[in-house]
Amino acid sequence: GAGVSQSPSNKVTEKGKDVELRCDPISGHTALYWYRQSLGQGLEFLIYFQGNSAPDKSGLPSDRFSAERTGGSVSTLTIQRTQQEDSAVYLCASSPFGTGGEKLFFGSGTQLSVL
Amino acid sequence: KQEVTQIPAALSVPEGENLVLNCSFTDSAIYNLQWFRQDPGKGLTSLLLIQSSQREQTSGRLNASLDKSSGRSTLYIAASQPGDSATYLCAVKTSNTGKLIFGQGTTLQVKP
Repeated sequence: GAGVSQSPSNKVTEKGKDVELRCDPISGHTALYWYRQSLGQGLEFLIYFQGNSAPDKSGLPSDRFSAERTGGSVSTLTIQRTQQEDSAVYLCASSPFGTGGEKLFFGSGTQLSVL
Repeated sequence: KQEVTQIPAALSVPEGENLVLNCSFTDSAIYNLQWFRQDPGKGLTSLLLIQSSQREQTSGRLNASLDKSSGRSTLYIAASQPGDSATYLCAVKTSNTGKLIFGQGTTLQVKP
């Protein structure tokens, strides 16, 4: 596709259930980011993938959160045993990798609501 | 630890006014800085990217400047229009392989 695609666009789940959020980056982009944005807040970094390097997981808030990127393309963010405080918009972004002049392209996000 | 701050948090101006949004960062050793726009319920759109070796970038009515030594960037919007109403975020990349660290954003309202 032409842009970063995220699915689902909305997800409502019950507390304690697991959820999977998907991100399809722009073809050829080697860098992929996950961010979280709570209501009225800025963007909170979660995880960053760059090519075949080990991902930067320093932003994952707990061991209930994990992410993988298969074949250097599609990424899945998994939240286990969801809690109400996990409710937020989860944003994915991708960029090419080069000499520093690379803009980030964001998807429209997944709105997660934990009841 | 790099921290990014944006002031003011909200701004309301009449149409046609020129305005400046501010972004400051605590560690001057940055790789690049980006300004983004976010419309309600939407993702972010990159407006301007300034590499660490550059002082400013321009796109249409937008001009972003960077002063690494003082840890500051400004986004200048000329002749503001109601369509400019959105939240503007700045983000700093700390290294070529590093993550982007975002400020909290400035919510701009341009009144007709």
